Amino acid sequence: SYELTQPLSLSVSPGQTASITCSGDKLGHKYVCWYQQKPGQSPVMVIYQDNMRPSGIPERFSGSNSGNTATLTISGTQAMDEADYYCQAWDSSNVVFGGGTKLTVL
Amino acid sequence: QVQLVQSGAEVKTPGASVKVSCKASGYTFIGYYIHWVRQAPGQGLEWMGWISPNNGGSNYAQKFQGRVTLTGDTSINSAYMELRRLRSDDSAVYYCARAEGYSKFDFWGQGTLVTVSS
Repeated sequence: SYELTQPLSLSVSPGQTASITCSGDKLGHKYVCWYQQKPGQSPVMVIYQDNMRPSGIPERFSGSNSGNTATLTISGTQAMDEADYYCQAWDSSNVVFGGGTKLTVL
Repeated sequence: QVQLVQSGAEVKTPGASVKVSCKASGYTFIGYYIHWVRQAPGQGLEWMGWISPNNGGSNYAQKFQGRVTLTGDTSINSAYMELRRLRSDDSAVYYCARAEGYSKFDFWGQGTLVTVSS
């Protein structure tokens, strides 16, 4: 079955750029979405179709996808961005989530 | 506005079944798939399957095939997830989410905590 691999954790200082990767075989051939989840809350989509930002999501969130790696980039990271982030893709008729990355802003 | 409102928390004993509901409002129910995703305590998101309320078509993650059934009732804009033969490791928060075809999960329910304990 298809797998998406993310780093378990990432720490950044406020104002720095956070880059969260998601790796999978030929992932660049698929569309990738990214979800943010804060403790006790439902996931929220922050990027879809690799690099599209839903309305209401700050411009500091961006995405890219090429080769075997998709990347979520948060520019000028703020304390409110501290959360778990999950990548997601479709493989045939099935949905696959990455294992999630805990982003700490300190 | 789009809303997915799920049923309340459940406590079940091992071997029992649970049925969680997801009531949709604010959009055309038959126009979107409803997916079910679960999250065990301290763990990541795990996709379980989807249903198309339009035609009843469905697809299940291999892990859950034979143990889960997804259904929909277009008369009341609701979707259901039934999980049978519950085990302690089925204890998790279960989410419904909508997606337009093979696309993004743009709205999620609030989650339903299912606890399996003897």
